[in-house]
Amino acid sequence: GESVGLHLPTLSVQEGDNSIINCAYSNSASDYFIWYKQESGKGPQFIIDIRSNMDKRQGQRVTVLLNKTVKHLSLQIAATQPGDSAVYFCAENEVAAGNKLTFGGGTRVLVKP
Amino acid sequence: ETGVTQSPTHLIKTRGQQVTLRCSSQSGHNTVSWYQQALGQGPQFIFQYYREEENGRGNFPPRFSGLQFPNYSSELNVNALELDDSALYLCASSLPEGEQFFGPGTRLTVL
Repeated sequence: GESVGLHLPTLSVQEGDNSIINCAYSNSASDYFIWYKQESGKGPQFIIDIRSNMDKRQGQRVTVLLNKTVKHLSLQIAATQPGDSAVYFCAENEVAAGNKLTFGGGTRVLVKP
Repeated sequence: ETGVTQSPTHLIKTRGQQVTLRCSSQSGHNTVSWYQQALGQGPQFIFQYYREEENGRGNFPPRFSGLQFPNYSSELNVNALELDDSALYLCASSLPEGEQFFGPGTRLTVL
């Protein structure tokens, strides 16, 4: 399939290590944030979300941290696996303005065996 | 798999032509959103349809238009194609305030 992330910043990580992907968002009124994973030739796939009234949420091997003071979001992937190689996007949503996602620029994660 | 399907998978058009892209939403979802994803960038919101009515629009010109049908499937139409319209077009289905489930996209190339 075609490459999604030809010109995106790339994070190279050794298999088994932890990955941290960062994202700055723009709308201080956003109240819902989502991390998506996009593999080549596929649409974005939901990973984890967080509401603006939270600062941390954990899923299976993933943790999202939200710092509203500096409008920063991060995704931590524990024990990164080859299947985690993909492009990761954060998205923000101001629910009162409708369910319309605003995506960040994305980061490509490359897992080295 | 999300249950959202899009057709065609790939499409090649020339400048000035018109194109129609199609999306079938996940069962039970009445809202469809369309996004344009240029190579190396994040998706950009085009517009959203809820119960056959346009329910919000991003910063795209009027030559981008859409439809939603009674079965909640949707079409995206682009007239007078320009080279910069080359992109992956994604649709996402959802309930009005629910998680959006994305289809695999249609890759449009304008020559």
